[in-house]
Amino acid sequence: IVLTQSPATLSLSPGERATLSCRASQSVGSYLIWYQQKPGQAPRLLIYDASLRATGIPARFSGAVSGTDFTLTISSLEPEDFAVYYCQQRSGWPWTFGQGTKVEV
Amino acid sequence: QVQLRESGPGLVKPSQTLSLICTVSGASLSNYGYYWSWLRQRPGEGLEWIGYIYTRVDTSYNPSLKSRVTISVDTSDSQFSLRLSSVTAADTAVYFCARDSDFARAFDIWGQGTLVTVSS
Repeated sequence: IVLTQSPATLSLSPGERATLSCRASQSVGSYLIWYQQKPGQAPRLLIYDASLRATGIPARFSGAVSGTDFTLTISSLEPEDFAVYYCQQRSGWPWTFGQGTKVEV
Repeated sequence: QVQLRESGPGLVKPSQTLSLICTVSGASLSNYGYYWSWLRQRPGEGLEWIGYIYTRVDTSYNPSLKSRVTISVDTSDSQFSLRLSSVTAADTAVYFCARDSDFARAFDIWGQGTLVTVSS
């Protein structure tokens, strides 16, 4: 299953709203996950089951799904939110990731 | 809390076997519902799932790497390993171990990652 993320880069300012997209090549149900990765660090789980926030994740992060189109929204960017975001599907084998969206200042 | 840490050589020669260990603290590799995985990230690229081991013996591998990969658990129940044979420069990457589970339904715990360079 191929996951296509867009845009590749999102240039925004703190306080602005970020909308990231992940499109699956076939149905993955709700088995879509979002991670945040900062340079030199491991990915951090944000959202699982398309829309459920992981433990400790702020409410400004939200996920939504419409068919095979998934969206991660950051309602108001904080300085620590500038990073790369990856989606991952856990529906079909092998588990696959999107190529990432970089949110930059 | 559960912690994972990767260890192993940072440099491997082409055609040789890459071997890494993930040390797990705060959890048992025998417990049902938990999938202990290896993933990698080539320089400047995205993430690739390599495979997992479940309840010490069941394994699943990415078909793109299946012919070269072995994941196993050692007798101590606190370490699982990755062996990738016949490596080339394309296998140069940061390798992560991570936990997935039927409960989190995601990779919820990650090691810090270790860079392995394939070069003569």
